[in-house]
Order: sequence, then C-alpha cells, then structure tokens
Amino acid sequence: KAGVTQTPRYLIKTRGQQVTLSCSPISGHRSVSWYQQTPGQGLQFLFEYFSETQRNKGNFPGRFSGRQFSNSRSEMNVSTLELGDSALYLCASRTSPEVSSYEQYFGPGTRLTVT
Amino acid sequence: GNSVTQMEGPVTLSEEAFLTINCTYTATGYPSLFWYVQYPGEGLQLLLKATKADDKGSNKGFEATYRKETTSFHLEKGSVQVSDSAVYFCALSPSTNAGKSTFGDGTTLTVKP
Repeated sequence: KAGVTQTPRYLIKTRGQQVTLSCSPISGHRSVSWYQQTPGQGLQFLFEYFSETQRNKGNFPGRFSGRQFSNSRSEMNVSTLELGDSALYLCASRTSPEVSSYEQYFGPGTRLTVT
Repeated sequence: GNSVTQMEGPVTLSEEAFLTINCTYTATGYPSLFWYVQYPGEGLQLLLKATKADDKGSNKGFEATYRKETTSFHLEKGSVQVSDSAVYFCALSPSTNAGKSTFGDGTTLTVKP
C-alpha cells in the first residue's frame, strides 16, 4: 500500500506570493492533518480535514487555509507569504477521525522557502 | 492546554550504549502517547505508542511505558546502533481529539561507531 505522498517536495517563493501544497493520503484513509515544522517552533498543528470538512484548527492566522476533496486528497494554501512561513509542511493521514483511530502516518513533507 | 516536554539534546552515544530520552506531558483526560522518529530529509515515522496508563509500547528494541502518576513516557533502548541516529519526537493525542497531536521539540540522537 502506498504511503502518504506530498507534492511538491521543495518550493521557493517570494514574500507576498501565495502557495498551494498537496497531500494524498494512504488509500482508505479519510482524515488528513497538516503540521508546520520549524527549528524555532517545532511541530505545530495547522488543521485537520474529514469528509471535506475542517474538523480542527490550530493557532495560525487566516492566511493559512486548506480543503479536502471527495477522494480525501487535501490541499493547503498560504497567501501573502512571509519569511517566517519558511518551514517543512507535513501531512498526516489516518483512517477516520474517531478517537480510536489515533495512529497517524506522515508524508515526507514539502520544504517551503520564502525569500 | 496540552504540552510535551522532552529532554534537551543533542545526545551523542557510542554504539551499544544504553539510551534514555525523557518525556513528560501535561494534558487533561487520558491522552494517547507516541514516539516518532525522523530521519534526515524524511517525514515522521511512528516508532511506538501507548494508549492507556501502564501500557508499554515497544518496537525495534525501543520501549516506553505510559506512567500516569508521573505523566511521563520515557524512551529507552538497551543497545543503540549507528542506524538509530535520528531525531526523536514525543507526542500526545487528546482522548477527545486524536487528530490534533501535540509534539515535543525533538531530541537529536547521534550514535558513533
């Protein structure tokens, strides 16, 4: 079974631009979470989607948004990029949002650099 | 809110040495606890987990026991190998919201031959 895939793996953008990152979960997994990883802040939860609906949201500004499609694939968008948005963005999938379905499987991440 | 505190790194050990990475947490209720490992240029891999008090998670020679009385989940391995060199993250998932994990800052382990 293929793992979680994220595209692109690397991105370089300029301040003020916007970016869209994509995540394809493991087949059969319907819940997708996004995390931001930086050296200064560590791993921080962005949001979780299930059935095309955002279920949870972390403490990030409205410039960070996401969506999920009917095939469970998810995208996240960052508008008006700032230098501080440079990070590794990780996507994780799990079978469902049920409490018992706690195991998350992570993709390799998208490395975003904002210049 | 929830939080996870990990032993500060980096940690450097010789091959076959004993490893302990401390992890303590703050959370309401009964969270599930995890250790993840991240190799350079890769995402996180689940190493082991425990879902209730006194559970012991184990995998690839690594072990950790869920201690509710001390709110701890320390990672141990009896004999480390060079291939264990990586960054290790302790994490918790709330019992009411399993998809919203909280992670520690990570501990970098380097094992020298």
